[in-house]
Amino acid sequence: ETGVTQTPRHLVMGMTNKKSLKCEQHLGHNAMYWYKQSAKKPLELMFVYSLEERVENNSVPSRFSPECPNSSHLFLHLHTLQPEDSALYLCASSGGGSGANVLTFGAGSRLTVL
Amino acid sequence: QKEVEQDPGPLSVPEGAIVSLNCTYSNSAFQYFMWYRQYSRKGPELLMYTYSSGNKEDGRFTAQVDKSSKYISLFIRDSQPSDSATYLCAFDLTNAGNMLTFGGGTRLMVKP
Repeated sequence: ETGVTQTPRHLVMGMTNKKSLKCEQHLGHNAMYWYKQSAKKPLELMFVYSLEERVENNSVPSRFSPECPNSSHLFLHLHTLQPEDSALYLCASSGGGSGANVLTFGAGSRLTVL
Repeated sequence: QKEVEQDPGPLSVPEGAIVSLNCTYSNSAFQYFMWYRQYSRKGPELLMYTYSSGNKEDGRFTAQVDKSSKYISLFIRDSQPSDSATYLCAFDLTNAGNMLTFGGGTRLMVKP
């Protein structure tokens, strides 16, 4: 496998459920990101991990909990979500040096909260 | 005022047309300018990357940056149905990767 892989591609959950999104990158990158993409809105940065340490948390509600066990894997744990959290959640990675702001995205996990 | 303005479209053009996609921005500190292309049910992929003002050409695609007007453009020559996608502009202050600002995207449809 190459690139950035996200699972599951589609997820439907109730407001009281707990689920997790998974992301894996095979590019040797040292930074990973979670973005939220809602219809007709710009991409919203949620979390950034660089060398497995979280460096940015844009005031995301605590019902979203990231985990980065190593530089290749990233999780987004979800619990007691709201219907307005329904969106496409995109994982991305980037390398260091001059390419640090060139992101490679996964295909996304489409989340529907009932 | 939004930091980035991008017309959501949709923009519908016939095959072979020249397409012009644009973004305006308000932060004069942006140094890096990017265009991402996002096909339906896919993640965005980097299409063009430029640093500072000027033009950059890559095949049928030309990226243009006018920092004095805070305006960037993406031109697509001889457009093809396979160019049908959403095009996102993106801006960065540094090359650290954690400060990217995206536009909302313009949906382009190229009709055969």
